[in-house]
Amino acid sequence: GQQLNQSPQSMFIQEGEDVSMNCTSSSIFNTWLWYKQDPGEGPVLLIALYKAGELTSNGRLTAQFGITRKDSFLNISASIPSDVGIYFCAGEASGGGADGLTFGKGTHLIIQP
Amino acid sequence: ETGVTQTPRHLVMGMTNKKSLKCEQHLGHNAMYWYKQSAKKPLELMFVYNFKEQTENNSVPSRFSPECPNSSHLFLHLHTLQPEDSALYLCASSQVGQDNIQYFGAGTRLSVL
Repeated sequence: GQQLNQSPQSMFIQEGEDVSMNCTSSSIFNTWLWYKQDPGEGPVLLIALYKAGELTSNGRLTAQFGITRKDSFLNISASIPSDVGIYFCAGEASGGGADGLTFGKGTHLIIQP
Repeated sequence: ETGVTQTPRHLVMGMTNKKSLKCEQHLGHNAMYWYKQSAKKPLELMFVYNFKEQTENNSVPSRFSPECPNSSHLFLHLHTLQPEDSALYLCASSQVGQDNIQYFGAGTRLSVL
């Protein structure tokens, strides 16, 4: 089946630093999504990407849909304590039907004050 | 009120018990999903319902039985589970034919003793 390789697995950074994480796949996806999950909660959507090459921002977050459709990255600028959590990339291969998402294993972000 | 509500939030059951997880979405979506989230593993798609019809069963053991009586409600019936079934079970919904972004509930934390 399809797999997403997400890296890094975890990051220990200082408050104020920029963060970068990425996902790669051997398969093509038509949609890339980035979610954040806090302890005891479900994943919350951060950014959705629909076109190859698309670069989208949401506040301090920026994500890009790779040209090959097989990769995506998420950047967080000037990290703050509430950015702590687990970030997941997810890909959808369908053309808009009700398919499930394929998820990466997550990047665990830890911020040291 | 959140868009996708799951109950109960926590559940402890023995291997001989029968229990049900409930999911309700208030977003007017037409597709609903069950995912399993285990420690150190990616979210795994279990079932997909599109317009109340099950369109995907991702090789899930028969001790998990989904039910979708209408487009707003989704159940996961559990019986004779194993300890390795302990996990966070997440429900999601989406609007097929539009952005198809999946929105997640907070999950049910299941422990099988």
